[in-house]
Amino acid sequence: EDKVVQSPLSLVVHEGDTVTLNCSYEVTNFRSLLWYKQEKKAPTFLFMLTSSGIEKKSGRLSSILDKKELFSILNITATQTGDSAIYLCAVDPSQGGKLIFGQGTELSVKP
Amino acid sequence: GAVVSQHPSRVICKSGTSVKIECRSLDFQATTMFWYRQFPKKSLMLMATSNEGSKATYEQGVEKDKFLINHASLTLSTLTVTSAHPEDSSFYICSARPAPTGRNEQFFGPGTRLTVL
Repeated sequence: EDKVVQSPLSLVVHEGDTVTLNCSYEVTNFRSLLWYKQEKKAPTFLFMLTSSGIEKKSGRLSSILDKKELFSILNITATQTGDSAIYLCAVDPSQGGKLIFGQGTELSVKP
Repeated sequence: GAVVSQHPSRVICKSGTSVKIECRSLDFQATTMFWYRQFPKKSLMLMATSNEGSKATYEQGVEKDKFLINHASLTLSTLTVTSAHPEDSSFYICSARPAPTGRNEQFFGPGTRLTVL
């Protein structure tokens, strides 16, 4: 059975800290891995990763994929209270476009 | 670009009634739309994949007669929760994938919170 596992499930940090969120996966076929940020409503797209070892970066957020070890990490440096959200990892297993989501990591950044 | 809307954003209904939720891609055509359900502090659970002009594909354990999906055009899919019960109360989110681009980038609607009394 295809699955995506995220860790930790929740995390509390203070502003300015750096956090690393983990996502591991087991799927029969793999096309890409996606990261989303969800605040109060729908998830917003952060990154799509398809190749190992190539870091994607957007401001203070960055992500990298390891297809050999079947995991990805999402790094957030110099965290701000606005980074508080649920971060979702999803894998595209090449089955008609559907995504398999992990449980999410709930990040809380305290002032 | 790539905006997806959902309507209504919130609905409260009595047990036994049916509720229709619309998902629209506003500035792109979506051959495929997806319907998810999310419980508080939980991840997204895929319910079904909706393809324009054909029957939806439901995930295991999702009752197709209870959750009716129609994808009548390239910009609109609807989810109807029939004979709703309190256990159907949840946050329903749709996503839309633009017409074939080679990238499975899905754009999510803002969600619909359904409360069944």
